Amino acid sequence: AQSVTQLDSQVPVFEEAPVELRCNYSSSVSVYLFWYVQYPNQGLQLLLKYLSGSTLVKGINGFEAEFNKSQTSFHLRKPSVHISDTAEYFCAVSTTGAQKLVFGQGTRLTINP
Amino acid sequence: NAGVTQTPKFRVLKTGQSMTLLCAQDMNHEYMYWYRQDPGMGLRLIHYSVGEGTTAKGEVPDGYNVSRLKKQNFLLGLESAAPSQTSVYFCASLTDANTGELFFGEGSRLTVL
Repeated sequence: AQSVTQLDSQVPVFEEAPVELRCNYSSSVSVYLFWYVQYPNQGLQLLLKYLSGSTLVKGINGFEAEFNKSQTSFHLRKPSVHISDTAEYFCAVSTTGAQKLVFGQGTRLTINP
Repeated sequence: NAGVTQTPKFRVLKTGQSMTLLCAQDMNHEYMYWYRQDPGMGLRLIHYSVGEGTTAKGEVPDGYNVSRLKKQNFLLGLESAAPSQTSVYFCASLTDANTGELFFGEGSRLTVL
């Protein structure tokens, strides 16, 4: 069975600073990887996904993630964050396309002015 | 186009009471899911459905039942609520099983006293 570990439960950064949210997965077969974002009092929405092909994936709101098979990682990055990026971010993995995702514990990103 | 709608949004129950959460989607999606979200544990899959008339167990199905009598509706039932079922429940539907995106409702906050 696959699993996901988000290494940081909380990440505080200053506005306009870069940020990296870390995600590691374990699986014995090929995986599909996702990042979802949850703004306060809302449901989750898709930021980006890796299904195949280029290991660098670009998503919405200036976020990108890189699939690293040798390190079993899928870290999320943004070069310059904004106050509006304050949210909880979830990494998710699946071995069956998008059908049954296993979510990580979440990382709360706090942006300080 | 409402997307995914959950009712009710808030509910307080006493131990042993029963209730049903309703999820409705107007996007003609085949796959639907019920997750629960607890602090520090991310989202965990309770039950899911791959089409009208079908249901399957997820990671944490005990204490819950589901039904998918109509394609657009996915009901989550608690027959005898327990304090351990205090959580925020999210319904989601999936655009495409292989490459798709989960669309989430806004959540239903349930407190069991």
